[in-house]
Amino acid sequence: GIQVEQSPPDLILQEGANSTLRCNFSDSVNNLQWFHQNPWGQLINLFYIPSGTKQNGRLSATTVATERYSLLYISSSQTTDSGVYFCAVLQFFGGATNKLIFGTGTLLAVQP
Amino acid sequence: NAGVTQTPKFRVLKTGQSMTLLCAQDMNHEYMYWYRQDPGMGLRLIHYSVGEGTTAKGEVPDGYNVSRLKKQNFLLGLESAAPSQTSVYFCASSPWTGTDTQYFGPGTRLTVL
Repeated sequence: GIQVEQSPPDLILQEGANSTLRCNFSDSVNNLQWFHQNPWGQLINLFYIPSGTKQNGRLSATTVATERYSLLYISSSQTTDSGVYFCAVLQFFGGATNKLIFGTGTLLAVQP
Repeated sequence: NAGVTQTPKFRVLKTGQSMTLLCAQDMNHEYMYWYRQDPGMGLRLIHYSVGEGTTAKGEVPDGYNVSRLKKQNFLLGLESAAPSQTSVYFCASSPWTGTDTQYFGPGTRLTVL
């Protein structure tokens, strides 16, 4: 099956710093999503980004589907950015649906 | 508009007990999913539904059953809980097709002793 690898596995930043998280995937995919799982366990949709670049405030994401990777940029990080960032790709599962294949995540800790 | 809600938020069971987790969405989505998340891992698909009255197996369906009697609700049942089912369970929904964005509920933390 498709492999989804994220790097780095963990990251510690000082408040105000910038960071780039990477997601590599091993096969063609129907789509890609980035999630933030906050320290309370809630999964928050960040981006739905099959290709191209999107921005939302201090966060932006770029997916280059032909080269099988996606990047998540966090600028001017804040302590509330702490948590685990997952990328997930859609892969055809059979029948009438696709399933999300999750990477193992990047654990981000932003220190004040 | 509450989005996707899950009940209960926490539950502790003894081995062999049964329980049902409820997922509800108010976005009129066709597709609904149940995932489990184990420590240090991403989510894995248990079962899914492509519409009212339909269910299908995901990648880790053993030990679980599901029902979708109403479009807005998707129930996950454990008939005889085992310690291996200790996990955080997430429900998700998506609008029309399997390529749409999936929206997740807040999760249910289940411990089986």
